[in-house]
Parts: sequence; structure tokens; C-alpha cells
Amino acid sequence: DTEVTQTPKHLVMGMTNKKSLKCEQHMGHRAMYWYKQKAKKPPELMFVYSYEKLSINESVPSRFSPECPNSSLLNLHLHALQPEDSALYLCASSQGGGRGYTEAFFGQGTRLTVV
Amino acid sequence: SQQGEEDPQALSIQEGENATMNCSYKTSINNLQWYRQNSGRGLVHLILIRSNEREKHSGRLRVTLDTSKKSSSLLITASRAADTASYFCASRSNDYKLSFGAGTTVTVRA
Repeated sequence: DTEVTQTPKHLVMGMTNKKSLKCEQHMGHRAMYWYKQKAKKPPELMFVYSYEKLSINESVPSRFSPECPNSSLLNLHLHALQPEDSALYLCASSQGGGRGYTEAFFGQGTRLTVV
Repeated sequence: SQQGEEDPQALSIQEGENATMNCSYKTSINNLQWYRQNSGRGLVHLILIRSNEREKHSGRLRVTLDTSKKSSSLLITASRAADTASYFCASRSNDYKLSFGAGTTVTVRA
């Protein structure tokens, strides 16, 4: 199984809502990532988890809150978002530890619209 | 982009022709990777070249890496309509960061 599964595929939320994006992989990967991608732009790194610990936070606003409950799951909790946060949110995973410098496997993304 | 530039930004070629795109990056790397993205969905890994390698082949793909110039190129030979996509380079630094270049949009005309 070389899949990274993201749910939901589409999400529309109001600026006062709280929602969560979910990501799951069963490849035994110990590094997991959240990226944000605006139209016609490259993915921008948001967070990296390594062995279920947050190792990189690219100065992301606190209205985005990541969580890694176990080695297979990654969540992104959303609260009080702004319309400019509308984007494609991509989850990815790769092998961890000394073999962490390998390719990343990406999910299909969640298309988020903030109204 | 987070890491560097790619050129050209867009490329339109006839089926059967070769497509070449270039990428520059800013920091020291462990490896350089290339990804394809169709219609704004998930990215698919194409090929990885390590910092101590200069050239790598995989099927119709050829990647070069020049660490002295902090640049890489991707060549797709004998292009097909199915190669129409956006292509991104991504540099892997020594702290799990995988940072993407600006990307090249390739259109292959039948």
C-alpha cells in the first residue's frame, strides 16, 4: 500500500467554524508533512512531524494546529480561518530516521474554501 | 518559491519532442527530487538524485545536478500527451525539509 489518504476531498467552512483535515498512511513512514498550495504556485511547507513529534513549523499562524496522534495519522485542525487561507492542503509522508532523505508520497489533497 | 526558481515557467511542445526544464535552489542539499502534478491534485514523485550524483536516468527521464551552481535539469524525451502536467523540483535539506521550486507547466500538443 503506497497510498496517502486525505479526507475530506473538499471542504467549505465559515470564518468562525472549527474543522479538521485528516491524513493517513500505512507505509510505516515516520515523517509526515503538511503543505499549502495556492493556485498556480508551488506547495509551501507548513509542518513536519518526525516520529510523532513536531520538528518543523514554518511560522504558520496559530489558527492552524497540527496533531500527530500516532505514526499513521496526521491531522490539521482549523479555527477562525480567513478567506486567504483558501487553498489546496496536501499531506505527505516519507521514511524517517537515517533513511529520511527519500521521496515523499503525497495525498490527493483537500480543497479548502473559507467563506 | 520557498527554495528557488524554475525555468521556463511554461513550455508547449509537440508530441514526440523533448522537454527540458531547469531548477535552481538556494541552500545545501542532501538530494534533489522532481515531481509531477496533474490538475492541481496530489504530486507524484518522478526521480531523485543525490548530492554526490551528477546524472540519473529513469525511463524517458534524465536528470542532471550541478551542486556548484545549485541547479538541476529535467529532460523528458519523446513526450506524450499524458506528460501534460506541472513539474516541480524539490530540494531535500538535512533537516527533513522538502522545499519546492516555482514549477514548470508543460503542455504536449497531439
